[in-house]
Amino acid sequence: EAGVAQSPRYKIIEKRQSVAFWCNPISGHATLYWYQQILGQGPKLLIQFQNNGVVDDSQLPKDRFSAERLKGVDSTLKIQPAKLEDSAVYLCASSPSGSSYNEQFFGPGTRLTVL
Amino acid sequence: EDQVTQSPEALRLQEGESSSLNCSYTVSGLRGLFWYRQDPGKGPEFLFTLYSAGEEKEKERLKATLTKKESFLHITAPKPEDSATYLCAVPIYNQGGKLIFGQGTELSVKP
Repeated sequence: EAGVAQSPRYKIIEKRQSVAFWCNPISGHATLYWYQQILGQGPKLLIQFQNNGVVDDSQLPKDRFSAERLKGVDSTLKIQPAKLEDSAVYLCASSPSGSSYNEQFFGPGTRLTVL
Repeated sequence: EDQVTQSPEALRLQEGESSSLNCSYTVSGLRGLFWYRQDPGKGPEFLFTLYSAGEEKEKERLKATLTKKESFLHITAPKPEDSATYLCAVPIYNQGGKLIFGQGTELSVKP
């Protein structure tokens, strides 16, 4: 079974530039999550989708971050404009449903460096 | 406030030297606790789910236990390949699978 795919793996940009990340979840998984992991910290949830609807985006900085999940499959996360503090690894995860009992499967992440 | 705290932040062991990692949590309505392993440059990899106090699960040299306030990940006779960051996470009650993660314990096992 193919895992969660993410691209690009690495991205370096200047502050105030824009960047987009892509995620393809495990086939059939209804729930998709985007996390931000700053060096030395655990992942922090940014946004959760159930199919193509947003379940939770309470910790998404909406003035600069946006995300969409078209057709309930792939998802993109965008940052515009980027700030220095956005330097982090952005992880995508998926699970069969939004149940608290389901484990989440993570992709390899995209490491973003903002200069 | 829902919170998950892991200790120690870093742990260095000699090969074969057993030890334990701690995960303390403060959440309302515990719905389970997850342990993940994260290797450098990779995403977290699922290890265990524990659902109720008193439950234990094992996988190779790892054993996870759960009480009402904390969980332990016991590592017996570790090998260098067990070196990684170990994360615990707790789902927030009634929020559709949203997880709060601890900051992780970075384990290094030297031969």
